[in-house]
Amino acid sequence: QQQVKQSPQSLIVQKGGISIINCAYENTAFDYFPWYQQFPGKGPALLIAIRPDVSEKKEGRFTISFNKSAKQFSLHIMDSQPGDSATYFCAARRGGGSARQLTFGSGTQLTVLP
Amino acid sequence: KAGVTQTPRYLIKTRGQQVTLSCSPISGHRSVSWYQQTPGQGLQFLFEYFSETQRNKGNFPGRFSGRQFSNSRSEMNVSTLELGDSALYLCASSYGTGSGEQYFGPGTRLTVT
Repeated sequence: QQQVKQSPQSLIVQKGGISIINCAYENTAFDYFPWYQQFPGKGPALLIAIRPDVSEKKEGRFTISFNKSAKQFSLHIMDSQPGDSATYFCAARRGGGSARQLTFGSGTQLTVLP
Repeated sequence: KAGVTQTPRYLIKTRGQQVTLSCSPISGHRSVSWYQQTPGQGLQFLFEYFSETQRNKGNFPGRFSGRQFSNSRSEMNVSTLELGDSALYLCASSYGTGSGEQYFGPGTRLTVT
């Protein structure tokens, strides 16, 4: 019930293309869904996050699409750039109580070719 | 505002030893969470502290422990190190337990030989 499944494991996109990473969850108690970007040798950096009361959130070239009924959410990177090459993690957090732990997906290694 | 800082950045220890890692959260943040990152298991939650109290603990053996000080700085300790403890240990801070945004530090790379 705590698992978050992420796909694909790796993704290669041409510069200017759209990168799409998908995540699915089982636990309907999750109420907060962030995406993190991690470069080699660095900690994960918060990219964008969404709550289940909205179906889409856009920040610059990054968009989260959320489908509550399907229990799926995805990250779209528009006009992908070589500088976007990194590992991306989706995550989910259970609502209520004092526990604020994040459950992470397994990560997607994105390579954007110049 | 300075980000989350972790010390040391790299550490090499021998099996059976113990290690202490330190984390200083973003100024004003009172919650600190620790995660272990390995290629095989990914990012796994260790524990969370808020106001010097452990609020939640992940599925790790008792060799992993932590604490938080009154200034919100946190330490985690691993005793009787095993080869499988080699990992990147990440600390994340947030304003409170009600805040969704967690900000990660650069991590401490622990190698156990």
